[in-house]
Amino acid sequence: GAVVSQHPSRVICKSGTSVKIECRSLDFQATTMFWYRQFPKQSLMLMATSNEGSKATYEQGVEKDKFLINHASLTLSTLTVTSAHPEDSSFYICSARGGQGNNSPLHFGNGTRLTVT
Amino acid sequence: AQKITQTQPGMFVQEKEAVTLDCTYDTSDQSYGLFWYKQPSSGEMIFLIYQGSYDEQNATEGRYSLNFQKARKSANLVISASQLGDSAMYFCAMREGGRRDDKIIFGKGTRLHILP
Repeated sequence: GAVVSQHPSRVICKSGTSVKIECRSLDFQATTMFWYRQFPKQSLMLMATSNEGSKATYEQGVEKDKFLINHASLTLSTLTVTSAHPEDSSFYICSARGGQGNNSPLHFGNGTRLTVT
Repeated sequence: AQKITQTQPGMFVQEKEAVTLDCTYDTSDQSYGLFWYKQPSSGEMIFLIYQGSYDEQNATEGRYSLNFQKARKSANLVISASQLGDSAMYFCAMREGGRRDDKIIFGKGTRLHILP
């Protein structure tokens, strides 16, 4: 089945530094990937849609200059949290559609737990 | 306004019993898709079942079935013969529109606890 790999799984960084999270589709090509954020005991909130070869589409309220998304190839999308602050600490999870049909589900990476100190 | 509503923040169910997790949705699109995902404490998201808006029959996948009531905009997940390993968060999600790159949004989830 479709596999999405996300790296790193955990990262601790100091306030003011930047963190890059990678999301790879291992056995399929993904022209579109989605980045979600999840606070403890809450739902997944869509941050942005990553489009291969073009600019990402950000959801309302998500700062595009804060959360830089690059989708340079059909198998890789990256999310960079710039100048991270403690309030950016969260679980970030990427996903991609694994099949051709409209009923193909989102396949998720295992997520990245970011802690900003 | 919420697009996906899951009214049960938590549920406790005895092992081997069937359980129904509620989900209602709001959309004006004719073409849409409904998904259920399971999230164990490890954090991974596990796809369970899908129902398309034009599907006339309720979707089934093993012990999972989706009770799709289109007029009521309801897409409840039914788990038969629950097991201890079913304890997890369950999210209902919807894709509006007919394009495969249309975004998918999630409800707030229901935490299911299976009691031995």
